Amino acid sequence: GQQVMQIPQYQHVQEGEDFTTYCNSSTTLSNIQWYKQRPGGHPVFLIQLVKSGEVKKQKRLTFQFGEAKKNSSLHITATQTTDVGTYFCAGHGAGKSTFGDGTTLTVKP
Amino acid sequence: ETGVTQTPRHLVMGMTNKKSLKCEQHLGHNAMYWYKQSAKKPLELMFVYSLEERVENNSVPSRFSPECPNSSHLFLHLHTLQPEDSALYLCASSPLGGLYTEAFFGQGTRLTVV
Repeated sequence: GQQVMQIPQYQHVQEGEDFTTYCNSSTTLSNIQWYKQRPGGHPVFLIQLVKSGEVKKQKRLTFQFGEAKKNSSLHITATQTTDVGTYFCAGHGAGKSTFGDGTTLTVKP
Repeated sequence: ETGVTQTPRHLVMGMTNKKSLKCEQHLGHNAMYWYKQSAKKPLELMFVYSLEERVENNSVPSRFSPECPNSSHLFLHLHTLQPEDSALYLCASSPLGGLYTEAFFGQGTRLTVV
């Protein structure tokens, strides 16, 4: 079945440093989404990528979808304390939806 | 406020109890989902409803019983649960034609089974 692996599981950074989380699927995806969950909160939709090689930006966040549509990344430039939380990818393909384990980001001021 | 409201926010129940979780969305969406989020596991998709019809049931034990009376409401009926069922139960919705696309989550029900 479809498996979605996300790394790293945890990332601790100093404020101002960059951060990247990677998502890899065992199967080709139709689309991939990214969500952010603050501590004690619920997942909030960030973005959806559909096209092979697609790159989208939201302020300091850059999202990429691989050419083979099996991997994706989220990069945050110059992290801020407001970026703390767990970032999940969710891969969708062949009628299935699978979330990655998430990467929990902590930012030291 | 996400437009998806879940009640109750917290629930403690015994293994012999019967309870129901409620989800209501005010976004005009036609797909609704139940997810389970445990401390040591990723988000697990439990059930999917599209236009009030169940389209996916991911091998969820029968002690969890979903109900979707209309496109705005989704219930999860619980009975004879086990302590390992303690988790955060999240409801989500997405627009028509958007099955498995952008999902709007409710704030969840924190369930503890004692």
